[in-house]
Amino acid sequence: QSALTQPASVSGSPGQSVTLSCTGTSSDVGGYNSVSWYQQHPGKAPHLIIPEVTNRPSGISNRFSGSKSGNTASLTISGLQPEDEAVYFCSSYRSGDTFSAWVFGGGTKLTVL
Amino acid sequence: QVHLQESGPGLVKPSQTLSITCTVSGASISTHPYYWSWIRQYPGGGLEWIGYIRYSGSTYYNPSLGSRVSFSTDTSNDRFSLNLNSVTAADTAVYYCARGPLTNKAFDYWGQGTLVTVSS
Repeated sequence: QSALTQPASVSGSPGQSVTLSCTGTSSDVGGYNSVSWYQQHPGKAPHLIIPEVTNRPSGISNRFSGSKSGNTASLTISGLQPEDEAVYFCSSYRSGDTFSAWVFGGGTKLTVL
Repeated sequence: QVHLQESGPGLVKPSQTLSITCTVSGASISTHPYYWSWIRQYPGGGLEWIGYIRYSGSTYYNPSLGSRVSFSTDTSNDRFSLNLNSVTAADTAVYYCARGPLTNKAFDYWGQGTLVTVSS
């Protein structure tokens, strides 16, 4: 069971927008601006698309945007394209009384219909 | 451009030690302020952060792995290594090395990953 909760799958048609969620707790998602999102195509390594909740590294399309409200972070992909079909993982820094770690969600499989 | 490449054994017997090396090009692992992590992905797809080694050589491990894990570096060749002892089938995964966490708390460059299967 993954530390952060993501829906297993989501789908959308080309040109549409979809929003993927990532739910944690006040010890991780809600407590720090440390949520990042990764895109993973089959057989490839995860690829960073959104660090620090809302930022976008150079080279990442502005169709990808991130946000956070309370203990839930979201990734919105607008103008869906066939190449967006992939698994998307969220990650967050987590800190407790005696430990800290980076944790991940279980991933959401995005299907472009 | 930063490039990371893992090299591992492929198959490890239960109770033995898993050792994987990550070779970095395009960057020096001893350059401030970079950290270098190991992350694994289970056959079902879930990801687990194993720990990081700092540019200074100090380490921090995911508490979930207890004392089974250790990292080392070969700074002259920009390599860092993972050792995981007393492995079981539950340690079967694709192991990635990655740069990070960065100041933005993310992992920006990843190796291609190496599959390690624990089986007798």
